[in-house]
Amino acid sequence: DGGITQSPKYLFRKEGQNVTLSCEQNLNHDAMYWYRQDPGQGLRLIYYSQIVNDFQKGDIAEGYSVSREKKESFPLTVTSAQKNPTAFYLCASSPVQGIGLNEKLFFGSGTQLSVL
Amino acid sequence: EDQVTQSPEALRLQEGESSSLNCSYTVSGLRGLFWYRQDPGKGPEFLFTLYSAGEEKEKERLKATLTKKESFLHITAPKPEDSATYLCAVHGTGNQFYFGTGTSLTVIP
Repeated sequence: DGGITQSPKYLFRKEGQNVTLSCEQNLNHDAMYWYRQDPGQGLRLIYYSQIVNDFQKGDIAEGYSVSREKKESFPLTVTSAQKNPTAFYLCASSPVQGIGLNEKLFFGSGTQLSVL
Repeated sequence: EDQVTQSPEALRLQEGESSSLNCSYTVSGLRGLFWYRQDPGKGPEFLFTLYSAGEEKEKERLKATLTKKESFLHITAPKPEDSATYLCAVHGTGNQFYFGTGTSLTVIP
């Protein structure tokens, strides 16, 4: 089945540690996104990428980094500079933007990151 | 700036009691308005896309409608399994999707 796989489902970070969240898709989508979800808040965009080897900052990129070396993969690193990393992280993908009527986001099952 | 506001924040219904969720939006050049369902600890699940004012879509007990400024998600005779958070999002002329904070729906047997 085609879809988006996020791992791990739960992740714990120690102070000063960088951690990486994995996101893999087999939908052949060009665009991929990382969102952060906090209780009572909407999904906020961290980074997005429309093509391999290119990505753009979203609204809350500080303290995060990404790479897009392969079309299928878009890992997110939460660095020690992110002082409040506890949240639910969602990866999403969509077909090439500008094509028109099929630009909805497909989501993974999420990673819950907590600080020890 | 593109913006989405959902109301109410939370809604409790008796089983069979129909109601509507609201999504108000401002966007420069609407390319799509999306409704998603999200269960606790899971990723959002796609429900509907609406593209132009006057458009309506239905799926089982759910019906989504769209005007130039807002969208409604109508729930007819809800069941306990409809309990979830319903998210609204818009896609404008930029490259981002903007989400509302969601409506948490609880359907009581």
